[in-house]
Amino acid sequence: DGGITQSPKYLFRKEGQNVTLSCEQNLNHDAMYWYRQDPGQGLRLIYYSQIVNDFQKGDIAEGYSVSREKKESFPLTVTSAQKNPTAFYLCASSLGVGEGYGYTFGSGTRLTVV
Amino acid sequence: AQSVTQLDSHVSVSEGTPVLLRCNYSSSYSPSLFWYVQHPNKGLQLLLKYTSAATLVKGINGFEAEFKKSETSFHLTKPSAHMSDAAEYFCVVSGLSGNTPLVFGKGTRLSVIA
Repeated sequence: DGGITQSPKYLFRKEGQNVTLSCEQNLNHDAMYWYRQDPGQGLRLIYYSQIVNDFQKGDIAEGYSVSREKKESFPLTVTSAQKNPTAFYLCASSLGVGEGYGYTFGSGTRLTVV
Repeated sequence: AQSVTQLDSHVSVSEGTPVLLRCNYSSSYSPSLFWYVQHPNKGLQLLLKYTSAATLVKGINGFEAEFKKSETSFHLTKPSAHMSDAAEYFCVVSGLSGNTPLVFGKGTRLSVIA
């Protein structure tokens, strides 16, 4: 079955450490996205990528980094510069960026800083 | 700029009664509009989408939404609520241009009382 796989489902990090969240899709989608979800704030866009080796900052990119070396993969690194990283992180993909293209979402990774 | 406003952060209905989740949008052109549903600790699933075809859009699980340009609204309805409908619902509008991501509302939490 085609879909998006996020791993791990739960992740604990000590303050001051970087951590990388994995996102893999086998839908042959060109575009991929990372969102952060906090209670009552909806989804906020961190980074998105329209094509391999290209990505753009979203609304809350500070303290995060991404890479897009393969079409199938769009890992997100939460760096020690991110002041409040505890949140639910969602990865999504679509055929393209723009109107009319609905997104397919992964099941999410819950990151907790301890 | 594109935006959506979900008018209720929380809606509570009794099982078997109608559901109405309200969404108003702001767009500089005729947009694409979507509704997504998220069950606890899960990713988002597409319920339905409007892309300038019929103004009444039918989705999965008995949900439907009507695009009303004069009212800039895209409310989600269901004739009879089921316990399994309890979830978070997001109204989404297409981005400002052909190469910008979708814009998500802050969500409406639907509770269904037995």
